[in-house]
Amino acid sequence: NAGVMQNPRHLVRRRGQEARLRCSPMKGHSHVYWYRQLPEEGLKFMVYLQKENIIDESGMPKERFSAEFPKEGPSILRIQQVVRGDSAAYFCASSPDRALQETQYFGPGTRLLVL
Amino acid sequence: DQQVKQNSPSLSVQEGRISILNCDYTNSMFDYFLWYKKYPAEGPTFLISISSIKDKNEDGRFTVFLNKSAKHLSLHIVPSQPGDSAVYFCAAETGAGSYQLTFGKGTKLSVIP
Repeated sequence: NAGVMQNPRHLVRRRGQEARLRCSPMKGHSHVYWYRQLPEEGLKFMVYLQKENIIDESGMPKERFSAEFPKEGPSILRIQQVVRGDSAAYFCASSPDRALQETQYFGPGTRLLVL
Repeated sequence: DQQVKQNSPSLSVQEGRISILNCDYTNSMFDYFLWYKKYPAEGPTFLISISSIKDKNEDGRFTVFLNKSAKHLSLHIVPSQPGDSAVYFCAAETGAGSYQLTFGKGTKLSVIP
């Protein structure tokens, strides 16, 4: 299966701990996007990355959240000092070399629960 | 401010009939629209898209219609099947240097056998 892969699928953290979410894009895709979905809401854009570059982080909270997409390995969304409000489903999407109107394909998501 | 709105949280349709899901948007800069289908505990699955230069796009049982003047699009599924039961999200993109998708809150479709 060459789809977008995310791990872990479920993550439980206590308040104040760190959460690391991983995303491997589809084969041949070099663009990665992270979205967050709160209960009963649509998905909200967080950040758009290419290899070693953050292109658009306008949807990312300014504090505690960071993202990277290194030359080798998966993209990482890192949440430091988690709070209960961070509990949500986090989805990663990927697309091939960016052209206008390129479809984004989503992974299965990581469901983060903060106790 | 919600730029993409799906005003019907849920819709029930008999198997074999047509399902029509609606979506309205407010941002006139949107030029690309997508529909995704989502099952519980899974990620959104791409269904069909339409560029703002078109008013209709068809793929098998799925057809998307775009009315730019009304800032409205709709997804038609015909005939509806029980396996179509899922949450459907409308999404839009401006494409002007930022490729973030703006999503509606979704419509839960139930197809009754």
